[in-house]
Amino acid sequence: LAKTTQPISMDSYEGQEVNITCSHNNIATNDYITWYQQFPSQGPRFIIQGYKTKVTNEVASLFIPADRKSSTLSLPRVSLSDTAVYYCLVGDMGNAGNMLTFGGGTRLMVKP
Amino acid sequence: ETGVTQTPRHLVMGMTNKKSLKCEQHLGHNAMYWYKQSAKKPLELMFVYNFKEQTENNSVPSRFSPECPNSSHLFLHLHTLQPEDSALYLCASSHEGTGDGGYTFGSGTRLTVV
Repeated sequence: LAKTTQPISMDSYEGQEVNITCSHNNIATNDYITWYQQFPSQGPRFIIQGYKTKVTNEVASLFIPADRKSSTLSLPRVSLSDTAVYYCLVGDMGNAGNMLTFGGGTRLMVKP
Repeated sequence: ETGVTQTPRHLVMGMTNKKSLKCEQHLGHNAMYWYKQSAKKPLELMFVYNFKEQTENNSVPSRFSPECPNSSHLFLHLHTLQPEDSALYLCASSHEGTGDGGYTFGSGTRLTVV
């Protein structure tokens, strides 16, 4: 299973772009990279998923270099409501038996 | 609303009680999961069900007993729990075989064992 490493916490201000990087040096060929957002006392919420290069949706962008050993979640123009814990998850989502494991996540604090 | 519904949202139970947590999804997913999240700890995977069959039991004590009657419903039966079992219990589902979309989580059940 690909182990992930993320910063424990980050601070930002409203309106800024936030980039959170995740390291996953032993990512496997079939592994996808998925990012989740979690607010207190709620379940994690899917943000974005990618395999290589760049993926963009209405809330975020995901940048994956050619070697796929890391990935960067980019949140444009954050607001106070983006204060949450962000998890990077790496694994083969096509196989439920792979027992994908969440790491400690990155606690993002957005200040006014 | 995520499409994965968990009930109850909050539960307080004594150590000698028996209770059940319920999870329901109507997303057409074929894999369902129970996770435990204790205070300031990462999510811990407890059980995996794939097409109603339990494929993984991540060394969970027998006082937790899962049940998956069909691909849309998942239960977690609880008995003789300990105070350290107090946590947020999260249910998730996914579509195995496609590799995309990730997990969809419910809002969780906040369990307090007294």
